[in-house]
Parts: sequence; structure tokens; C-alpha cells
Amino acid sequence: RKEVEQDPGPFNVPEGATVAFNCTYSNSASQSFFWYRQDCRKEPKLLMSVYSSGNEDGRFTAQLNRASQYISLLIRDSKLSDSATYLCVVSTDKLIFGTGTRLQVFP
Amino acid sequence: GAVVSQHPSWVICKSGTSVKIECRSLDFQATTMFWYRQFPKQSLMLMATSNEGSKATYEQGVEKDKFLINHASLTLSTLTVTSAHPEDSSFYICSAWDRDGLTNTGELFFGEGSRLTVL
Repeated sequence: RKEVEQDPGPFNVPEGATVAFNCTYSNSASQSFFWYRQDCRKEPKLLMSVYSSGNEDGRFTAQLNRASQYISLLIRDSKLSDSATYLCVVSTDKLIFGTGTRLQVFP
Repeated sequence: GAVVSQHPSWVICKSGTSVKIECRSLDFQATTMFWYRQFPKQSLMLMATSNEGSKATYEQGVEKDKFLINHASLTLSTLTVTSAHPEDSSFYICSAWDRDGLTNTGELFFGEGSRLTVL
């Protein structure tokens, strides 16, 4: 079983839609969780950290479920510019990246 | 915000040559930097953790003699791909923690990546 698993997608959604990604992790000792965004042929950039209580940043909401060992990312009112690959990242003594979920928002 | 600069962005080389990639933290000191490799449509795979003033820690399956890492200062780590072959062609990305020493929290910043093509 992979340490961090994501549905690779692609998720094709129209502008304005709400889309959610899930990510599961295998190591119960994982301490920190992040969502990164990676555009094609670019380096990953931090989208948001994920806190136990859940957190929101504008149209983006991240949640953590330690009992079930998954984290989620919800994007509301999708924009064309949201099209990218979203990487789930889990930290133990090092950062482990998921394979990413590709999102394509169409007009 | 903090910036990590990586150089070169693109490199094309002949099989058998060695290629050096530099990773610099521009406005913060990074005792630890990380090197990743990403093949097309795949995730970032951690290759090694680079520690300033000491030997790098390599992930399982990564050849130490093939991928030489030097972290000689708090702002510079280098990755040298020795005797490169076509299968080494990949996107190599470095990252560094901009860590708050008091709270031990911080953000991981990535370099722009270096795309290596070995002919």
C-alpha cells in the first residue's frame, strides 16, 4: 500500500462547480498535512496546511480525519485558474507526496 | 516570502557526462534541504535529505555514488548526477524549510526545478 494515495483524476468540472479531493495516508504517526498545487512543468507551491480542526482559505476548505487517516480539499466556485494538479503531502520525519489529483476546469 | 533558487532550469547533456544542479535559499538559512525527482505524470519522489556540514541521507534505492549531494553552506546545496544516462532524464526539484527556530513551524519552499535531458 502506498504511503499516500490520491485519485489521479482528471476531474473535469465547469466553472462555478464545487469539487472535492480526498487523500488517504497509511502512517498513523503522521504529524503534519498539506495541500500543494503544481502547475504543469512547474514546482509545487503550498496551497494550505491542514489542521485538525479543519481550515478554510477563501474558496478552499481543508479537513483532516485522523481516525480514518484521510484529508480532503474542497474547492468552491471553481475558476479556470484552478486547473492544476493538487498534491496531498503528509509529514512524518520527512515529507511524502501523493501522486496528485489533476483538476481541469472548463468554461 | 522566502525564495529558493535552482540552477540551471534546463540542461541537455550527452550520456556519460556529469551534471551539477545548484539549490540556493536566497533570504533564509536552511540547515536541511531536500532533493526530489519527478518523472512525467508521476509524483515527486524524495531522493535525499541534504544536511549542512554533514553527509546527506539517501532514500532507499537511490545510489549515493550516482547522485552526489554537497551542502557546504547554510544557503547552498548541490546535486551532481554522475555519468548521466538517458534513464536519469527527469525533473529534479530541491526544497528547503524556512523554519521558525522558536516555534519549529515553517513552510517548505521549492526551487523552480531543473529539467535534465540526457541524450
